[in-house]
Amino acid sequence: KAGVTQTPRYLIKTRGQQVTLSCSPISGHRSVSWYQQTPGQGLQFLFEYFSETQRNKGNFPGRFSGRQFSNSRSEMNVSTLELGDSALYLCASSGGQGAIMDTGELFFGEGSRLTVL
Amino acid sequence: AQRVTQPEKLLSVFKGAPVELKCNYSYSGSPELFWYVQYSRQRLQLLLRHISRESIKGFTADLNKGETSFHLKKPFAQEEDSAMYYCALRWWNNNDMRFGAGTRLTVKP
Repeated sequence: KAGVTQTPRYLIKTRGQQVTLSCSPISGHRSVSWYQQTPGQGLQFLFEYFSETQRNKGNFPGRFSGRQFSNSRSEMNVSTLELGDSALYLCASSGGQGAIMDTGELFFGEGSRLTVL
Repeated sequence: AQRVTQPEKLLSVFKGAPVELKCNYSYSGSPELFWYVQYSRQRLQLLLRHISRESIKGFTADLNKGETSFHLKKPFAQEEDSAMYYCALRWWNNNDMRFGAGTRLTVKP
């Protein structure tokens, strides 16, 4: 079974630009979560999508948005990039059916490393 | 709001010594607690879940609701245990998973 795939792996942008990151979950997984990972803050929850709907959201500004397609693939977008947005963005997929059917295990991708200059 | 605290950013022990990585949480409901691990050049992956009550790679963790803690323990650390460890919490029946800041464990020979 193929793992979670994130593209692109690395990218460099300048302040004010926008960026779109893509995530392909494990086949059959309907939930996709996004996290921002930085050395000082650890993993910060951005949002979670399930069946094309945003189900949970973290405390990030509106510049951070996402969506999920009918095939469960997900994208996240960051507009008006700031220097502080430089981070590793991780995507994780899971069954997402709820505790009874879902073990809670998140399967992570390798991440997209964004550098904002 | 739910919060996960890992008080130690860095932890260093010698091979064969016991190790305990601390995790405290603040949440008033019925949480599910997890430990995730990231070895060098590998993806973040699940180590263990409190609900399973299992030992993985010699690690165990007990949920203490009175102290709101979920510390990870191993009686005899090995060099291959060196990694970044994250404690995580989610609401029961909810996929909103929150992580602590992580503890980098180094096991010295």
